[in-house]
Amino acid sequence: EAQVTQNPRYLITVTGKKLTVTCSQNMNHEYMSWYRQDPGLGLRQIYYSMNVEVTDKGDVPEGYKVSRKEKRNFPLILESPSPNQTSLYFCASSRKDRGFTEAFFGQGTRLTVV
Amino acid sequence: AQKVTQAQTEISVVEKEDVTLDCVYETRDTTYYLFWYKQPPSGELVFLIRRNSFDEQNEISGRYSWNFQKSTSSFNFTITASQVVDSAVYFCALSEANNAGNMLTFGGGTRLMVKP
Repeated sequence: EAQVTQNPRYLITVTGKKLTVTCSQNMNHEYMSWYRQDPGLGLRQIYYSMNVEVTDKGDVPEGYKVSRKEKRNFPLILESPSPNQTSLYFCASSRKDRGFTEAFFGQGTRLTVV
Repeated sequence: AQKVTQAQTEISVVEKEDVTLDCVYETRDTTYYLFWYKQPPSGELVFLIRRNSFDEQNEISGRYSWNFQKSTSSFNFTITASQVVDSAVYFCALSEANNAGNMLTFGGGTRLMVKP
């Protein structure tokens, strides 16, 4: 089954404690992204990757890091989480295509930073 | 810069009513893509439809229909004979063909509540 898998689904952590949210896709997609969802703001892109070792900032990259060492994996790293990073996070993947194809989203990770 | 506005933050209807969710977008690109996603209470994002800027044909899929009008920069979504299972948050999104990484710009979402 084609899917994007995020882990963990729920996470409560304390301010300043480094954490990683993993994301893996099995569709051999070139493009992967991270979004955060906040009430009234919809989803906003944090970082994206166009292929292995190619990453770039989205709209709200401050406080986040990513890496793309393998095509299927795109982890999101919070080196020193703060309460304003409490949010619902989604990983997405899509094909590189002449016409843009729809993004497939993971199930989401609800992060609370206290 | 691209922008998507969903002016209706919450809509409440009674089952079997028709309901239209509005979406207005802004872009300077001539080639772009529009999307609707559904987010049920379980939280996942479910893809509903994609439209490219050159295809203004309206689309119908069962009880769902979409009206794309470039003249008014709108991409509205209508649910006919709504059901309780339609209760969800609905997001409209835009992607410009020239943007790197296939970034989607989302509207703020419309929460639809369908009461029995």
